[in-house]
Amino acid sequence: TQLLEQSPQFLSIQEGENLTVYCNSSSVFSSLQWYRQEPGEGPVLLVTVVTGGEVKKLKRLTFQFGDARKDSSLHITAAQPGDTGLYLCAGGYGDMRFGAGTRLTVKP
Amino acid sequence: KAGVTQTPRYLIKTRGQQVTLSCSPISGHRSVSWYQQTPGQGLQFLFEYFSETQRNKGNFPGRFSGRQFSNSRSEMNVSTLELGDSALYLCASSLISFGGLNEQFFGPGTRLTVL
Repeated sequence: TQLLEQSPQFLSIQEGENLTVYCNSSSVFSSLQWYRQEPGEGPVLLVTVVTGGEVKKLKRLTFQFGDARKDSSLHITAAQPGDTGLYLCAGGYGDMRFGAGTRLTVKP
Repeated sequence: KAGVTQTPRYLIKTRGQQVTLSCSPISGHRSVSWYQQTPGQGLQFLFEYFSETQRNKGNFPGRFSGRQFSNSRSEMNVSTLELGDSALYLCASSLISFGGLNEQFFGPGTRLTVL
């Protein structure tokens, strides 16, 4: 079973701060996805990273896939209250596995 | 394009009853996966259906079952409900890519409460 470990589990910051969350595994993934979930809703796909070393940017969010395709990170610049939510990384094919998530709170 | 829809959104049942949840995938998506989400266990994979066949199954008891119809719509059934089955049940559809991508698009979920 391919396990994904996310850190930190909880993160509470002030608006305007930068942050990084991590997703690590001992297994190699052909791709990893990042999702954001808000209370009472389903996760929403943010990005898919495929190539080792790949960096993708989505406005203030920067996603990186490790060279060995075992880990990924999400960096948010100048966080805003609208970034508040549960950030999940996921990988696998057919039986998708999810990390436990990082619960981010951005205070105004 | 319409997103993934799930019905009902909320459900309250008592122990011992059974429940059926429904999921309509995004048009053109042939793969449907089901997940259980609880505060303690997070998002856990239940099963995946593709072209009416169960292709993958997670580590859940046989009380959890599902099926997929020819129009790709899927149902999930839980029999003999237990208190621990209270959870958010999420359905996700994907356009299977045999290049290794499995981008999943989730519905809003069905919140099941077992009393």
